[in-house]
Order: sequence, then structure tokens, then C-alpha cells
Amino acid sequence: GQQVMQIPQYQHVQEGEDFTTYCNSSTTLSNIQWYKQRPGGHPVFLIQLVKSGEVKKQKRLTFQFGEAKKNSSLHITATQTTDVGTYFCAGLQETSYDKVIFGPGTSLSVIP
Amino acid sequence: SQTIHQWPATLVQPVGSPLSLECTVEGTSNPNLYWYRQAAGRGLQLLFYSVGIGQISSEVPQNLSASRPQDRQFILSSKKLLLSDSGFYLCAWNTGRGNQPQHFGDGTRLSIL
Repeated sequence: GQQVMQIPQYQHVQEGEDFTTYCNSSTTLSNIQWYKQRPGGHPVFLIQLVKSGEVKKQKRLTFQFGEAKKNSSLHITATQTTDVGTYFCAGLQETSYDKVIFGPGTSLSVIP
Repeated sequence: SQTIHQWPATLVQPVGSPLSLECTVEGTSNPNLYWYRQAAGRGLQLLFYSVGIGQISSEVPQNLSASRPQDRQFILSSKKLLLSDSGFYLCAWNTGRGNQPQHFGDGTRLSIL
């Protein structure tokens, strides 16, 4: 079955440093979604990428979808303590209709 | 606007006791509904999803079951809880195809003693 992997599992950064998490799928995806879960909270949708090679930005966050539509990345520039949380990617397999597969997440800690 | 409600927020149950967690969505019709479980510090494991009333797809064999008695109501149940059922249970919804963003409830923290 489809597998979605994320690396790293954990990342500790000094405030102001950059952060990147990578998402890889074993199969080609129709789209990729990114979610953020604050400690003690629930996942919140951030963005969706659909096109091959697509790049989207949300302030200090940059999201990329790979050319082969099997991988994606989230890059945060100059991290802040408000960026703390777990970032999940979720991919919809091209042959699937109604459910995405979530990656295991990358937990980000920011040291002030 | 659409809202999703999950209750209870926290639950402590003894091993072998039954379970019923409820999730309701307001402000939309015919949503896709999902139940996830998240172990401490881990990812989201899809347990069940439903694309319509009475339609339940099970993703993982276990002693849990789900039902959708009404369009916007999704219930997670168990007849006898196991220690391994502890975790953070999240309900989510979206509309249309699975490529639409999912909106999560606040979750239920379930501890089995």
C-alpha cells in the first residue's frame, strides 16, 4: 500500500535558524497537504499543492511539490517560538478517491 | 460557517469497559467523516472513514467500530476497551473528494487504566 514518510522525526533549532522537513511518498500523488499541530492541540490545515513543481509561500513558510509528484518539502525561514509543533504532510494517491495518507510528522522545537 | 464538535475532551476508562465517542458537524451536508487515533508523540492513524450515512470503511482491524446514524454524526465505539486503546482520538471532516482539506475536532484524550 501507499506509504508516506517524513524526515526528520524531530528537529531542535535555535530561534532565528531555518528549518526544513521533507515528505516522500512511495507512489505518485494527486496532491499534497500540510498540517500543523501545536502541542496539546489538533492538526490545522496549512496549504495544499496540486501541480508538479508547485511552490507556494505563506509568510516565512515555503512549500514545494516535487516534479514527479512523489515528494514535498516545507521550509521555515528564521524560526520563531510560535512555529513550535508537529508538521504533517498528507498525500492523496492518484488511484484513491476519498482519503489521504498522513506522514508520521516532524516535531519542531525552537529554543529561544 | 462549519464547525465540528467532539466529546468528551478527556476520558478515563477501566480495561474491559465500553466506549462511545461522538462527533458532529454543523454547517455542511453530506460530509466525509474520519476517525483517527494518535499515540503520544506519534502520527495519525486512520481508523474509519465514511462517505455517507451507513457507509463505513475500516482501515485497521481492531476491537473498535464506527457508525454514522445521521448525516453529520459519527460515533466511535468499543464493547471492551484494551490498554492499547489509549490515545488521542480525532474526528475530522471534509467535503467532496478526499483531496479536500480536512478539518479536525479538538479530540478526545482516552486513558485506559
